[in-house]
Amino acid sequence: GENVEQHPSTLSVQEGDSAVIKCTYSDSASNYFPWYKQELGKRPQLIIDIRSNVGEKKDQRIAVTLNKTAKHFSLHITETQPEDSAVYFCAASKGTNAGKSTFGDGTTLTVKP
Amino acid sequence: DTAVSQTPKYLVTQMGNDKSIKCEQNLGHDTMYWYKQDSKKFLKIMFSYNNKELIINETVPNRFSPKSPDKAHLNLHINSLELGDSAVYFCASSQGTAYGYTFGSGTRLTVV
Repeated sequence: GENVEQHPSTLSVQEGDSAVIKCTYSDSASNYFPWYKQELGKRPQLIIDIRSNVGEKKDQRIAVTLNKTAKHFSLHITETQPEDSAVYFCAASKGTNAGKSTFGDGTTLTVKP
Repeated sequence: DTAVSQTPKYLVTQMGNDKSIKCEQNLGHDTMYWYKQDSKKFLKIMFSYNNKELIINETVPNRFSPKSPDKAHLNLHINSLELGDSAVYFCASSQGTAYGYTFGSGTRLTVV
């Protein structure tokens, strides 16, 4: 089955700096890669996603890149703010009704004011 | 008009008891899931239903039994609760797995 590895497990940055979280996946048939943000005590929420026919996607201060050959994808957050502090999860799925999203183990991002 | 609603939000119970968690979604999604989030924050899938049919059962003990009366509802019944069952259980829904999940607010289960 699919295996998703996520690094780093914890990340601390100064406000205004950039943060990068990286994930690798094992199943070359995976074609959908969402990212979720989970604030303390809250539910995970989808913040951005990318499909295998796209190399990069951007939404304001967040962007995701995908390298299908190397089977890795990354989340980039620019100009970090304290409210970006949360646990971030990457996931990979095959995008079929018989599949599921396999989640990485999460990255705890702390943005220091 | 919550999209995915779970009840109860908190559940404290003694070992050996039986409990249920209910989930409902009003998004018209065809796929629903149960995920377990342990103390280390790992999200592990337990079950997945597509149009009321079980499609994924990830080596979960038989004490856990999901039920989907229709595609908008997915309930989880747990028999003979154990200390190790303590976790946050999230229900989620999606339109297949080609789209992101919408999670419920979670049920924090504490077994004492």
